[in-house]
Amino acid sequence: SQKIEQNSEALNIQEGKTATLTCNYTNYSPAYLQWYRQDPGRGPVFLLLIRENEKEKRKERLKVTFDTTLKQSLFHITASQPADSATYLCALRGGATNKLIFGTGTLLAVQP
Amino acid sequence: DADVTQTPRNRITKTGKRIMLECSQTKGHDRMYWYRQDPGLGLQLIYYSFDVKDINKGEISDGYSVSRQAQAKFSLSLESAIPNQTALYFCATSDSTTGTSGGAGNEQFFGPGTRLTVL
Repeated sequence: SQKIEQNSEALNIQEGKTATLTCNYTNYSPAYLQWYRQDPGRGPVFLLLIRENEKEKRKERLKVTFDTTLKQSLFHITASQPADSATYLCALRGGATNKLIFGTGTLLAVQP
Repeated sequence: DADVTQTPRNRITKTGKRIMLECSQTKGHDRMYWYRQDPGLGLQLIYYSFDVKDINKGEISDGYSVSRQAQAKFSLSLESAIPNQTALYFCATSDSTTGTSGGAGNEQFFGPGTRLTVL
């Protein structure tokens, strides 16, 4: 069956460190993968998109990698800040489908 | 003003009642979506619409119906609400013609959500 997996356990890190979140998928061949941030009680906000032919994408302190062989995307936040604390969702779109399939998200807590 | 708005923001209702959740957008996007979010289950797609005359079922459409009254409006109805429809509901939009990756990205823009409780 098709599955997207994100670490369900919260990730706790110290301010200033790099946070790394993982998104693994099975039985998909996504044309691209997206990352969203969600704060409690709010709608997700789009952060980054990476295509299947791209290895890495950066935006300010954010970096996303996409390994279609490992079927994995890594999401990095460098020099993390308490304001980065939120749930981060990965979402992928496969082939001809125009639907986004979301992972369950990983809660990141950055301690001051 | 918010680009994607949802009304109501909170609703408590009883089993068997008919409920309508409304979504409006000022982004000029052609595509609209309804999701529900439950703790530990992530976002699940209920229905989506790629234009006014196009309506498609998502993963969990049973017990729900939708109406795309105009390009800017997409409403979700629960014909006879039941307790397991208690959840956070999100509307989202996307533009089929533009995106951060020149059209192929179609990132979605979400509304603030409606918290629905069915007693």
